Amino acid sequence: SAVISQKPSRDICQRGTSLTIQCQVDSQVTMMFWYRQQPGQSLTLIATANQGSEATYESGFVIDKFPISRPNLTFSTLTVSNMSPEDSSIYLCSVKEDRDRDTEAFFGQGTRLTVV
Amino acid sequence: QQPVQSPQAVILREGEDAVINCSSSKALYSVHWYRQKHGEAPVFLMILLKGGEQKGHEKISASFNEKKQQSSLYLTASQLSYSGTYFCGTLRMDSSYKLIFGSGTRLLVRP
Repeated sequence: SAVISQKPSRDICQRGTSLTIQCQVDSQVTMMFWYRQQPGQSLTLIATANQGSEATYESGFVIDKFPISRPNLTFSTLTVSNMSPEDSSIYLCSVKEDRDRDTEAFFGQGTRLTVV
Repeated sequence: QQPVQSPQAVILREGEDAVINCSSSKALYSVHWYRQKHGEAPVFLMILLKGGEQKGHEKISASFNEKKQQSSLYLTASQLSYSGTYFCGTLRMDSSYKLIFGSGTRLLVRP
């Protein structure tokens, strides 16, 4: 299974600033996703990161707030822009090695973000 | 739409059994189960596919009722290591690969 590294693991940021989270995988993967997990809550899909094209965002999430890049098959970034305390969450990178719907996705350890 | 999980929380003694349920209002292609321990990444447990096929890596069983869009995870003879939050992730018939997770079930196994 793919090994996923996320950086930073945690951060405390001032409101109004932006934070870029990195997701690095030790092997080429077909699909990459970004999730948000608010404290004690479930995982909510933010977007699918597409290599070489714009990410596909879920309802309620927009590119201006959560710009995503995916320059190659092993790396993606998620930026949380113009942060407010409501953005305090754990942000998780998830990958799939193939497009087969019958196989599992893997998750990174997450980035714990606190906005003050 | 987020699948509904029940119960929200359960406390067991080591060796006891538990059942966690996951229900969706949409037609499902498959159900994926994950366990997340505090401060850690969700870990894959099992996939349940239409037609009854199961793919899993641990000694945990589950069922998938396609007609009712429901799945159940069976934890038998629970161990301390089973503690954590269990999430079902559903893959709808009309979507590509896009897991939508349930609200989660917190399980605590005590000695």
